[in-house]
Amino acid sequence: EAEVAQSPRYKITEKSQAVAFWCDPISGHATLYWYRQILGQGPELLVQFQDESVVDDSQLPKDRFSAERLKGVDSTLKIQPAELGDSAMYLCASSSPGTGGQVQYFGPGTRLLVL
Amino acid sequence: SQQGEEDPQALSIQEGENATMNCSYKTSINNLQWYRQNSGRGLVHLILIRSNEREKHSGRLRVTLDTSKKSSSLLITASRAADTASYFCATDGGNEKLTFGTGTRLTIIP
Repeated sequence: EAEVAQSPRYKITEKSQAVAFWCDPISGHATLYWYRQILGQGPELLVQFQDESVVDDSQLPKDRFSAERLKGVDSTLKIQPAELGDSAMYLCASSSPGTGGQVQYFGPGTRLLVL
Repeated sequence: SQQGEEDPQALSIQEGENATMNCSYKTSINNLQWYRQNSGRGLVHLILIRSNEREKHSGRLRVTLDTSKKSSSLLITASRAADTASYFCATDGGNEKLTFGTGTRLTIIP
């Protein structure tokens, strides 16, 4: 069964350092999402791609976060510089059009700890 | 920002009992979905109910939707230890974007 791949699974970094997360969506899924999930809360959307184009990045802190999906397949989310408050789980999901609504398929996530 | 709120925040029941969790949301929706998240893992889709549907079943899952009250419920019947997880409702306003609730932590006691 096809799955969304993410790496690394865990990342520990010091504040002010740069970190990058990678996501490979399910083959053929045009829509890719990055979420941030703080412990004890639901995921919050950071950025949504349709193919290589950004559809929604209204909740992305653009002073330190960037995301790209150059060839419309895999994607990278970068934080520079990392801050203590960035400690969270970063989830990637992908979807394709479906009748009546789009189901999102999630990767295992990258847990980030900023010291 | 979180669209919905789940109630209760946490629920512990004996194995074999039924578990019910509720979700309230704020704006109009195209559909509502429920996801499960095991500790430290990604989310898994459980069921989708469209705005023109009132009830839907999938195996041991039963979902209801009341758009007039902007609320939904998820019932898990004959619970098993493997059902221990966090459950999230997510609303789709029709723009291919999901807004998640705060989640219910379900613990099944063997």
